[in-house]
Amino acid sequence: DADVTQTPRNRITKTGKRIMLECSQTKGHDRMYWYRQDPGLGLRLIYYSFDVKDINKGEISDGYSVSRQAQAKFSLSLESAIPNQTALYFCATSDSGQGGGNGYTFGSGTRLTVV
Amino acid sequence: AQKVTQAQTEISVVEKEDVTLDCVYETRDTTYYLFWYKQPPSGELVFLIRRNSFDEQNEISGRYSWNFQKSTSSFNFTITASQVVDSAVYFCALRGYQAGTALIFGKGTTLSVSS
Repeated sequence: DADVTQTPRNRITKTGKRIMLECSQTKGHDRMYWYRQDPGLGLRLIYYSFDVKDINKGEISDGYSVSRQAQAKFSLSLESAIPNQTALYFCATSDSGQGGGNGYTFGSGTRLTVV
Repeated sequence: AQKVTQAQTEISVVEKEDVTLDCVYETRDTTYYLFWYKQPPSGELVFLIRRNSFDEQNEISGRYSWNFQKSTSSFNFTITASQVVDSAVYFCALRGYQAGTALIFGKGTTLSVSS
């Protein structure tokens, strides 16, 4: 099983619909992140959480919300999806060691299309 | 504020050519961490290297080498004798030392290696 699992892998949804992307991890890491990738723009940080009670906005949080249900689970919601939220979404985890430990562990990504 | 700039959007080379991917970063932290990731056409993010700011030794791993120069705030990545399998998007990323920071990515460089 993958260390960081994202579901679904692919999703097509209609404008205005609410959608949730889920992320679970078996790394035992306390820090979790959601990134969005658009062609030519790299990965941009949406939200991040350093523990269950800690939620922080990233660079592009507008239109998104998150929930850290447990140390191992971090979900991203689009309350009312719009076409420019079509992108590849990555969940990542890291430990709390200074420097990010051995780096970040990324999920395989969720490709979301809003029509 | 932290920033990572990858000025090369796309690079095309022929197999066996050497190629260097540039990365310039900005940070006010005196201690920080730099990363390179590879994203092959399949879409997953593959961790390549992490470098601490206090370690300016260059690193070589097979055909890959990294040149870290604090004086110019650069962390360049060279592939020697490129191969078709090196075709991918390559991301440089930065994380500050202080608690509360997350990994910030450059926009990526798309490398195409033709046979």
